[in-house]
Amino acid sequence: EAGVVQSPRYKIIEKKQPVAFWCNPISGHNTLYWYLQNLGQGPELLIRYENEEAVDDSQLPKDRFSAERLKGVDSTLKIQPAELGDSAVYLCASSLRTENIQYFGAGTRLSVL
Amino acid sequence: GNSVTQMEGPVTLSEEAFLTINCTYTATGYPSLFWYVQYPGEGLQLLLKATKADDKGSNKGFEATYRKETTSFHLEKGSVQVSDSAVYFCAYDRAYGGSQGNLIFGKGTKLSVKP
Repeated sequence: EAGVVQSPRYKIIEKKQPVAFWCNPISGHNTLYWYLQNLGQGPELLIRYENEEAVDDSQLPKDRFSAERLKGVDSTLKIQPAELGDSAVYLCASSLRTENIQYFGAGTRLSVL
Repeated sequence: GNSVTQMEGPVTLSEEAFLTINCTYTATGYPSLFWYVQYPGEGLQLLLKATKADDKGSNKGFEATYRKETTSFHLEKGSVQVSDSAVYFCAYDRAYGGSQGNLIFGKGTKLSVKP
């Protein structure tokens, strides 16, 4: 069974440019999470979806970040415009509502120059 | 507020040495507790978990016991191998009304095991 798939693995952009990350969760997983992991830190939640509904986006900087999960399957996270401080690893995870185990993708490492 | 505190790394051990990575948490109620491991170039993987007080989670020779009285979940392994070299994250589940919620992670502890 395929795990959580994220793309791209690496992205280098200049500041003020837009960037998008894509996540395909494990088949059948209705809960999807986006986390931000800064260097030397643990992941921090940005947004959580139950199917296509964002049920917790309290930590998402809405002035520049947006996310969507159309049809309740795969999801995209967008930053526009990117700032130097956005350089980090963006992790996607998914889980079954009935099981409190989250499965993580390998992440997208963003470098903003 | 809610938080997880792990011992700072990096931790460097020789093969077959005993490992302890301390973890304490601050949370209300009875959260589920987890250890995740991140091998170089890979995503986080669940290593073990415990869902109630005095539960012991175990996997691949690693163990951790949910200690409600000390709000701790220390990770131990009796004999580490070079292949255990990774970053280890302690976390708890900030559940809402009994359903699963968001994981609160510690900063991670990097373990390097030398042959």
